[in-house]
Amino acid sequence: DAGVTQSPTHLIKTRGQQVTLRCSPKSGHDTVSWYQQALGQGPQFIFQYYEEEERQRGNFPDRFSGHQFPNYSSELNVNALLLGDSALYLCASSYFTDTQYFGPGTRLTVL
Amino acid sequence: AQKITQTQPGMFVQEKEAVTLDCTYDTSDQSYGLFWYKQPSSGEMIFLIYQGSYDEQNATEGRYSLNFQKARKSANLVISASQLGDSAMYFCAMREGRGNTPLVFGKGTRLSVIA
Repeated sequence: DAGVTQSPTHLIKTRGQQVTLRCSPKSGHDTVSWYQQALGQGPQFIFQYYEEEERQRGNFPDRFSGHQFPNYSSELNVNALLLGDSALYLCASSYFTDTQYFGPGTRLTVL
Repeated sequence: AQKITQTQPGMFVQEKEAVTLDCTYDTSDQSYGLFWYKQPSSGEMIFLIYQGSYDEQNATEGRYSLNFQKARKSANLVISASQLGDSAMYFCAMREGRGNTPLVFGKGTRLSVIA
């Protein structure tokens, strides 16, 4: 039974560029949440997708957007990258209100 | 106010000894859940243990137990018989209310197990 997978593992971009991160949930899970973890901090909630709709959103600007596909996989898009967007981006999946299980993360570096 | 407070930035423990990682939380909800996750240097957050606010018994999962003191709003993680592989960051997190609400994390505690 595959766990949560994320791609790519690492990514280097320059300021102003756009990036897309991908997440496949654990088998049987229908909800995907995205978190940003800056160096030395705990993860911060970005948004959550369920039934292909954004259900909840944290305190992140509109530059951060997402999508959920019919197979429950999800993408996180960040436009107009800033240096401060450099972080580990974690995807978590869950079945309805059950425990969230995390993927290995995508480490984004913005130069 | 911080929702989750972890006051120990770093902890050291001897192999085979037990260690307690502190976590206090702040919520006005009657229904909430408390979680502990382990994050090795690879970055993946590994779920360890869960305690619901209405659970009367402290949660246990193998070598992990959660010392839940509701009146004091604390949810400390106890790791028994520490192993070298337990060296990692440990995060306490809370989910408030009912439904699939987002997790709010503390700043974490770095645990180092010494041989």
